[in-house]
Amino acid sequence: GESVGLHLPTLSVQEGDNSIINCAYSNSASDYFIWYKQESGKGPQFIIDIRSNMDKRQGQRVTVLLNKTVKHLSLQIAATQPGDSAVYFCAERSLGNLIFGKGTKLSVKP
Amino acid sequence: DSGVTQTPKHLITATGQRVTLRCSPRSGDLSVYWYQQSLDQGLQFLIQYYNGEERAKGNILERFSAQQFPDLHSELNLSSLELGDSALYFCASSVRTSTDTEAFFGQGTRLTVV
Repeated sequence: GESVGLHLPTLSVQEGDNSIINCAYSNSASDYFIWYKQESGKGPQFIIDIRSNMDKRQGQRVTVLLNKTVKHLSLQIAATQPGDSAVYFCAERSLGNLIFGKGTKLSVKP
Repeated sequence: DSGVTQTPKHLITATGQRVTLRCSPRSGDLSVYWYQQSLDQGLQFLIQYYNGEERAKGNILERFSAQQFPDLHSELNLSSLELGDSALYFCASSVRTSTDTEAFFGQGTRLTVV
């Protein structure tokens, strides 16, 4: 498939380990923060979101943490699998629009 | 499959030309969004339509325009193309007026300007 080919930070983890992907956001007024996953040759796909009045939300194998004090968002993936290899984008919803960060490329080593 | 269809998947054209990218949203979705993804800029929001009307504008150049038709499909028109317009163009759709956190993205159109 096609590679997005972005010049991105890369995180390389061993299969089975936990992954932590970090993101800094800019707008204190954003009401939602969202993580998207983009596999090669595909469009971004929603993973999980968190409302701005929360600091933690868990999904299936994923946890999002929000630290509003330092405007930091993280995505934790438990027991990372080869299928998790992708580019991960954080996004903030501000004035109704989704503003995306630049993304982190996650590579999972077998 | 997200349910959002974009055509064409690939487009190669020369500088100065005009192209039209097409997007069919998921069945029932009234909002359509266009994003540009380039090597150094990540995903940039261009424009949003809701039920045929423009709702929000992002970093969209004056050479670019879009519209949403009564059947809710949308077209993004890019004119006077420049080399720097080469990018992936994504369409996304969601149900409500404002951007849902869960927007559904198409597979994109890769535009190459030569």
